[in-house]
Amino acid sequence: DAKTTQPPSMDCAEGRAANLPCNHSTISGNEYVYWYRQIHSQGPQYIIHGLKNNETNEMASLIITEDRKSSTLILPHATLRDTAVYYCIVRVAEGPITSGSRLTFGEGTQLTVNP
Amino acid sequence: DAGVIQSPRHEVTEMGQEVTLRCKPISGHDYLFWYRQTMMRGLELLIYFNNNVPIDDSGMPEDRFSAKMPNASFSTLKIQPSEPRDSAVYFCASSLRVSNYGYTFGSGTRLTVV
Repeated sequence: DAKTTQPPSMDCAEGRAANLPCNHSTISGNEYVYWYRQIHSQGPQYIIHGLKNNETNEMASLIITEDRKSSTLILPHATLRDTAVYYCIVRVAEGPITSGSRLTFGEGTQLTVNP
Repeated sequence: DAGVIQSPRHEVTEMGQEVTLRCKPISGHDYLFWYRQTMMRGLELLIYFNNNVPIDDSGMPEDRFSAKMPNASFSTLKIQPSEPRDSAVYFCASSLRVSNYGYTFGSGTRLTVV
């Protein structure tokens, strides 16, 4: 798996957009960028993923740079319930799950949304 | 679907006792994963199964740990004998091979060995 680098912590005001960066400079052409989050005492939860195009769903938007070496997860209107650790993971997402396509978690970013 | 179901949610046991953690994956998912989470080491993959067959157990810390998947709807992770350093939250997750949504995790079992 390609290594990812995330800031250890970030703060955001409630109602504002939260922009979480991730660097993945060694990403391979067949590796996707995945984002998960883990709210305290719960299991990790899938948020969004993408290959090279920007993606949006009901939870968040994912912006991937043209060279694919970095990405940003955007929570458009952060709420207190979005306080969690956010993990950026790169992995192959097609074919049988092998060592290259397992989900390997780093340390993530602790996002704290303040009232 | 009720998602990935783990039991028990909490387990407190004495050192030396056998502990069995249980997991029911999402129906139709053909991959099952066991993770362990501690403050020191974060989320670690212990073992994963494909179609009930163990594929990679390189993350299992030592012989005291064993995992089985007797059928597509049930898996166990057993620790015998348990030690205080096994105290952690153990997560089970399941996935489809061709799923673009990655893994679905259970709520975890918090194990405390005293």
